[in-house]
Amino acid sequence: DAKTTQPNSMESNEEEPVHLPCNHSTISGTDYIHWYRQLPSQGPEYVIHGLTSNVNNRMASLAIAEDRKSSTLILHRATLRDAAVYYCILSATRGSNDYKLSFGAGTTVTVRA
Amino acid sequence: EAEVAQSPRYKITEKSQAVAFWCDPISGHATLYWYRQILGQGPELLVQFQDESVVDDSQLPKDRFSAERLKGVDSTLKIQPAELGDSAMYLCASSSLNTVNTEAFFGQGTRLTVV
Repeated sequence: DAKTTQPNSMESNEEEPVHLPCNHSTISGTDYIHWYRQLPSQGPEYVIHGLTSNVNNRMASLAIAEDRKSSTLILHRATLRDAAVYYCILSATRGSNDYKLSFGAGTTVTVRA
Repeated sequence: EAEVAQSPRYKITEKSQAVAFWCDPISGHATLYWYRQILGQGPELLVQFQDESVVDDSQLPKDRFSAERLKGVDSTLKIQPAELGDSAMYLCASSSLNTVNTEAFFGQGTRLTVV
């Protein structure tokens, strides 16, 4: 499976943007880039995913490099509720009928009031 | 809003005892996952079901762990006998389509402590 590399931790101030980088230099052409986050004492929560083009939703934006070897999750205005561990995951296709999400250690985001 | 239900939320068991966790996925979701998360680490996939069939259990310690999804709906993960190293959060997730272009929904997990 292709691997991702993320910083261990990042800090941000409330109401400022947060840019979370992810390197995935061995990504294959069919791998989607997924982001999940995990708040304390909860299960992971889907944030966003994409293949080649940049993506936006109500939670965040995903900027994907042209060569797809890196991506950046953007939280436009951080709130205290955004303090969580953020996981960048490449979805591995193992055949025509299945895929899995393989989590790494993620980036711990701290938001200062 | 539909949720993945897990029970119990917390479980304390003695070493060598049997323990079981239950998961009810979102209605209509054919794909179900069980993950184990050790404190400070990311979740690790234990087993993946497509309907009632296991499609991946390569990381499941089969000498003591078992998982079933008999009618392709809810699922049970069992550990027998439990060991101290099994202390972790056990997460269940489900998704509606078994493709890379979808999202998975996670339950709140079962926190297991083996003493």
